[in-house]
Amino acid sequence: QVLLVQSGAELKKPGASVKVSCKPSGYSFNTYVISWVRQAPGQGLEWMGWINTYNGNTNHARHLQGRVAMTTDTSTSTVYMELRNLGSDDTAMYYCARDAGSFGISFDHWGQGTLVTVSS
Amino acid sequence: QSVLTQPPSASGTPGQRVTISCSGTSSNLGSHPVHWFQQFPGTAPKLLMYPNYQRPSGVPDRFSGSKSGTSASLTISGLQSEDESDYYCAAWDDSLNGWVFGGGTKLTVL
Repeated sequence: QVLLVQSGAELKKPGASVKVSCKPSGYSFNTYVISWVRQAPGQGLEWMGWINTYNGNTNHARHLQGRVAMTTDTSTSTVYMELRNLGSDDTAMYYCARDAGSFGISFDHWGQGTLVTVSS
Repeated sequence: QSVLTQPPSASGTPGQRVTISCSGTSSNLGSHPVHWFQQFPGTAPKLLMYPNYQRPSGVPDRFSGSKSGTSASLTISGLQSEDESDYYCAAWDDSLNGWVFGGGTKLTVL
């Protein structure tokens, strides 16, 4: 079955960076884009961007431009999301999800989530 | 402030029909299909409905959707206690060149 397994919880200080991994399995890795979505405590869902696992192209949410980087390691079929210069408002659950585009069946499988806590 | 607008809460009694709205603009719902998600506390969102009002395997046919212009709605017929959850809509936005979500609707089954 399709699974997306994410790395474990992180505790970071303000100004630091965090790198979260997401390893899909159960389907051909480079046939779907992977989107990242985060959810602050008690808040709604916020799309952060996607990475094309076939060619490495990325598309980031404008408000995160310059702070977020998404990469893929095709040798291990793993995608990574790095967020730099963390602030307290970056404390959130971070999810990766399979994305087939606007007119496709997108977000049909999600990772279990990675809790990132930013605190001094 | 979410790009797509949903009511923060909705409620109904078992057996009732409940509709959750999602309002957008020409650059998102006016041009792109809507996806709907259900999320229980402490868990990842679950896809409820995708383009053309299709449901993934396992989603009961009590859940249905519609869209008109720049608004969409999710209807739950024959409400059950297990439907008490948070519901989110999402669509691609051409102006933002990204996915946008509604702020979520907390459904309470009375």
